[in-house]
Amino acid sequence: GAVVSQHPSWVICKSGTSVKIECRSLDFQATTMFWYRQFPKQSLMLMATSNEGSKATYEQGVEKDKFLINHASLTLSTLTVTSAHPEDSSFYICSARASRRSPYEQYFGPGTRLTVT
Amino acid sequence: TQLLEQSPQFLSIQEGENLTVYCNSSSVFSSLQWYRQEPGEGPVLLVTVVTGGEVKKLKRLTFQFGDARKDSSLHITAAQPGDTGLYLCAGEGTGFQKLVFGTGTRLLVSP
Repeated sequence: GAVVSQHPSWVICKSGTSVKIECRSLDFQATTMFWYRQFPKQSLMLMATSNEGSKATYEQGVEKDKFLINHASLTLSTLTVTSAHPEDSSFYICSARASRRSPYEQYFGPGTRLTVT
Repeated sequence: TQLLEQSPQFLSIQEGENLTVYCNSSSVFSSLQWYRQEPGEGPVLLVTVVTGGEVKKLKRLTFQFGDARKDSSLHITAAQPGDTGLYLCAGEGTGFQKLVFGTGTRLLVSP
């Protein structure tokens, strides 16, 4: 159980275009979803936290107008990279949390590799 | 700001050797999780430890949570090439819903 999928698994886009990445919890309802960014050989950097039906909370230094997050349902969150530039190229990973209990566990998607040319 | 430092950053060993990875912080965490990540994939949860001093075993992997819930260790016995990957610890801070990830330890086990 606790499977999270991401789509697409990789995408190449031209500079200036927008790209949408989907994150779905397949067998559970996710009260909270998280979006991370990971650079080569580095750890995960949290970008934002999204709760279903409310606005996402962005980490310091993350441009909310550039990285649009929508958590429209308990099983789907989307990250849209707007006006992408080569420096936005990275590995984007989402995770989902099943409940607000503590200790909680996050289940991660397989990641999306974005390359901006 | 809560930080988790992992050591070593990189470890290259031969099959059959033992190793320990450390995850340290000056902050107290409600729980701590260990993940393994392979290239091009998302992290996979290995274990969650909650109680100070708690020890959990997962086959050849032994996880320990420090008594003060500020640090943790991962010990692998008789490492195998399949253990190769990036090991990440992550802590849940008191009152926070997000995880703080450690700096990561990259393990390479050669046959």
